[in-house]
Amino acid sequence: QVQLQESGPGLVKPSETLSLTCTVSGDSISRYCWSWIRQPPGKGLEWIGLIYNTGNTNYNPSLKSRVTISADTSKNQFSLKVTSVTAADTAVYYCARDRMAGTFSWFDPWGQGTLVTVSS
Amino acid sequence: DIVMTQSPDSLAVSLGERATINCRSSQSVIYTSTTRNYLAWYQQKPGQPPKLLIYWASTRESGVPERFSGSGSGTDFTLTISSLQAEDVAVYYCQQYHSTPLTFGGGTRVEIK
Repeated sequence: QVQLQESGPGLVKPSETLSLTCTVSGDSISRYCWSWIRQPPGKGLEWIGLIYNTGNTNYNPSLKSRVTISADTSKNQFSLKVTSVTAADTAVYYCARDRMAGTFSWFDPWGQGTLVTVSS
Repeated sequence: DIVMTQSPDSLAVSLGERATINCRSSQSVIYTSTTRNYLAWYQQKPGQPPKLLIYWASTRESGVPERFSGSGSGTDFTLTISSLQAEDVAVYYCQQYHSTPLTFGGGTRVEIK
C-alpha cells in the first residue's frame, strides 16, 4: 500500500522560504509523477506543480517564479520549496501521486497534508 | 488554463434522495487520440485529504460505493449520488488532467436536508 507523508516547519516568516518534504513508502518515486497541491483554510484546491519520474518538473505558472520541486531517489522523497512567502501562501500542503505511470493525471493517493502558516 | 466551474456551490439533500453535482470546463477535456475525458472527481471530508472517487469521467475507483457515478463528455460533467447517505456529507471537487496547469473546480458542499 502506497503511503505519503509530508514533513516540514508549520510556521514560516514572511519573505522567507517554505520547505516541505514528502516521504513515499510502498512504491518507488522513479515510476510515477509526484505532485504538490495546496488548500488555503476554508478554500479550494490549487495544484502547485509536479516532478516527473525522469526528474523533469512542471509548475503552475501562477507560482512558477517562486517554486522548486526536487526529488531524492535514494531516500524515496520529493521536496517543495516556495520562496518569498506571504500570508497568501498559508495553506494545507498536500503531496500526491499522479496515478498514471510517467505522466500527469488524477491524484491517488494523497498525503494527510500539513498546515503551513506564514506569520511573523 | 482550463477553468473548472462547479455548480451549485452547496446543496442539501434528504437521506436516500439523489444528489447531482455539475462541473463545466472552459474547454474540452477529451483527447481525440484516446477519445477519453480527462476528468476526475474527489470527495473531501473535514480534516482529511481529498479521496478519489471517479476518473476518466465515469470510471469508479475500486472500493467506492456504487451509488457514486460520473457522467458527461467534452465540457459538461456530472457526479451523481443516487441515494445520499449520512457519510456522504462532504465537499466534492472535479479536476481536469487534460493539460497543465492541472486545475480543480471550486467545490460543492453536500449536506443533509
